[in-house]
Amino acid sequence: AQKITQTQPGMFVQEKEAVTLDCTYDTSDPSYGLFWYKQPSSGEMIFLIYQGSYDQQNATEGRYSLNFQKARKSANLVISASQLGDSAMYFCAPRAGRRALTFGSGTRLQVQP
Amino acid sequence: NAGVTQTPKFQVLKTGQSMTLQCAQDMNHEYMSWYRQDPGMGLRLIHYSVGAGITDQGEVPNGYNVSRSTTEDFPLRLLSAAPSQTSVYFCASSAGGSGTQYFGPGTRLLVL
Repeated sequence: AQKITQTQPGMFVQEKEAVTLDCTYDTSDPSYGLFWYKQPSSGEMIFLIYQGSYDQQNATEGRYSLNFQKARKSANLVISASQLGDSAMYFCAPRAGRRALTFGSGTRLQVQP
Repeated sequence: NAGVTQTPKFQVLKTGQSMTLQCAQDMNHEYMSWYRQDPGMGLRLIHYSVGAGITDQGEVPNGYNVSRSTTEDFPLRLLSAAPSQTSVYFCASSAGGSGTQYFGPGTRLLVL
């Protein structure tokens, strides 16, 4: 079974600053993907960004980017220029083999004005 | 294009009752999954399907059944509800390639 570690249960960041959310994972499958999802207080799961294990460059999507360190099995999410609407739970989720995800316990981010 | 839809949005059951949570997607995705999310935790995989007629167990399958007779629908059956099944249930679907999973809005289930 895969193990996912999100070591920061809660994080605070000032509006307009950048923040990094940590994620480490443990998988023996050489071909895998790493997803990040956002869950606001309304409860829906929103896809943010994806990184494939064979991708040569770190993934970016607007204000979201991944600091992907394959050897360390680490895929930290970087949110630049934080906004109040970024306040939410953030989940790291690797996928290996089958088309289903294993989720970490999440990090609650609170953006302060 | 409605994406992934789930019904009902909220349900209260008594211990021992059975019910079916409905999930449908209109994106012609091959892969569909059911997860549960308990308070303060991440999502855990219950069952998943890689295509019509094919299902497999996830991390927490006990007490749940699934079937996949069509590409569009993937219902989750609670056989005999227990208070431990109080949770929020999410259905998700994905195509091939990167396999990005798109989630439904969730069903909040309370078992008394």
